Amino acid sequence: EVQLVESGGALVQPGGSLRLSCAASGFTFSTYWMSWVRQAPGKGLEWVANIKQDGVEKYSVDSVKGRFTISRHNAESSLYLQMNNLTPEDTAVYYCTRASVSLWNAFDVWGQGTVVIVSP
Amino acid sequence: DIQMTQSPSSLSASVGDTVTITCRASQPIDIYLHWYQQKPGKAPKLMIYGATTLQSGVPSRFSGSGAGTDFTLTVTGLQPEDFATYYCQQSFSTPRLTFGGGTRVEIK
Repeated sequence: EVQLVESGGALVQPGGSLRLSCAASGFTFSTYWMSWVRQAPGKGLEWVANIKQDGVEKYSVDSVKGRFTISRHNAESSLYLQMNNLTPEDTAVYYCTRASVSLWNAFDVWGQGTVVIVSP
Repeated sequence: DIQMTQSPSSLSASVGDTVTITCRASQPIDIYLHWYQQKPGKAPKLMIYGATTLQSGVPSRFSGSGAGTDFTLTVTGLQPEDFATYYCQQSFSTPRLTFGGGTRVEIK
């Protein structure tokens, strides 16, 4: 079964750091672009960052540039999001997603999400 | 960045109704447009990709149309399990991606 399982969400103080992990299974992880998408409470979906198969090309939304770093470990089929200098605006459910080139780069597999709360 | 504008932001409908949601891109995106369904407390689910192609397992009452800047998602014969929030998303400007603001479909 194709699956993404996130972990690492927590309550953290403003200015703090957190590292999210995503464990992939059931598919050849190293052949897919991977992304993080977040959803603030009561709000819509926001693409946060993505990373190419080789782990070299990385992109992120402007609001997290310089604070969040996406990475991957293909041998372990794992995706990560290092989040530094967190602010209350980063409070959200964070989803790990897979983009499929064969589906016009749509996100065809999603994890269940991990909750990040940034609060004093 | 490409902006995606969905309308309406919410709508009320009854079981059996046909509903249409629109999504407009701020610049042409060919058919790099996808639709997701999200139910409360759950992850989004891909429904339609490439503007018109149904994802495997998605009921045929869902359909998508459009190209360029204007797109629609239509549900013909709304079922109780279709009440949810729907999002469009463009991947034309991959790797920089954007979602629409969402449309909540509620029971009338």
